[in-house]
Amino acid sequence: GAVVSQHPSRVICKSGTSVKIECRSLDFQATTMFWYRQFPKQSLMLMATSNEGSKATYEQGVEKDKFLINHASLTLSTLTVTSAHPEDSSFYICSAIKAGGPSYEQYFGPGTRLTVT
Amino acid sequence: GEDVEQSLFLSVREGDSSVINCTYTDSSSTYLYWYKQEPGAGLQLLTYIFSNMDMKQDQRLTVLLNKKDKHLSLRIADTQTGDSAIYFCAEKKGGGNKLTFGTGTQLKVEL
Repeated sequence: GAVVSQHPSRVICKSGTSVKIECRSLDFQATTMFWYRQFPKQSLMLMATSNEGSKATYEQGVEKDKFLINHASLTLSTLTVTSAHPEDSSFYICSAIKAGGPSYEQYFGPGTRLTVT
Repeated sequence: GEDVEQSLFLSVREGDSSVINCTYTDSSSTYLYWYKQEPGAGLQLLTYIFSNMDMKQDQRLTVLLNKKDKHLSLRIADTQTGDSAIYFCAEKKGGGNKLTFGTGTQLKVEL
């Protein structure tokens, strides 16, 4: 199998605080993980590509100082939303590619619903 | 351009076939995917097709690819209520890993 988990599944935080979301590959190692955000009734938008042991690559328009990504191990990537504001409320989904596996197969996590009040 | 477009909504009766369509604009796409998303959940990979293929069948799912028209479709045979979800097509271009997702099609299966 190829199971990706996210924690927490749902989080509510106050405006101005920071929140960390974890993405874990449970039964495989992932050299590359991706972070997406999805607004209600919209498609997924890629935010950044996270490679183990190196800096993340951010998509155009995504603030790297606001969305901090750390991929410290082959099974864990974290996304920290710093100084969150209500407009950051969204569904955040991660995905992972198996180390040594075909790059055309991405496995998605169940998502994290962030609400900023 | 990089737009991947889908019709927003499809309603079918249980037992009928569903056909979900997707158009893309980049002829350099190497792989094309279909994902299923149930409410409040992540994405489940249903199937994918390599760009040099015209058709791929996997149990109740049939994917058709028309590269000339940049058109991708997903046919679900004998559609069941459990198939109700949002379906996203996605394309992967060239040697990169980035996926570009379509706008999503909400499939509603009625009894």
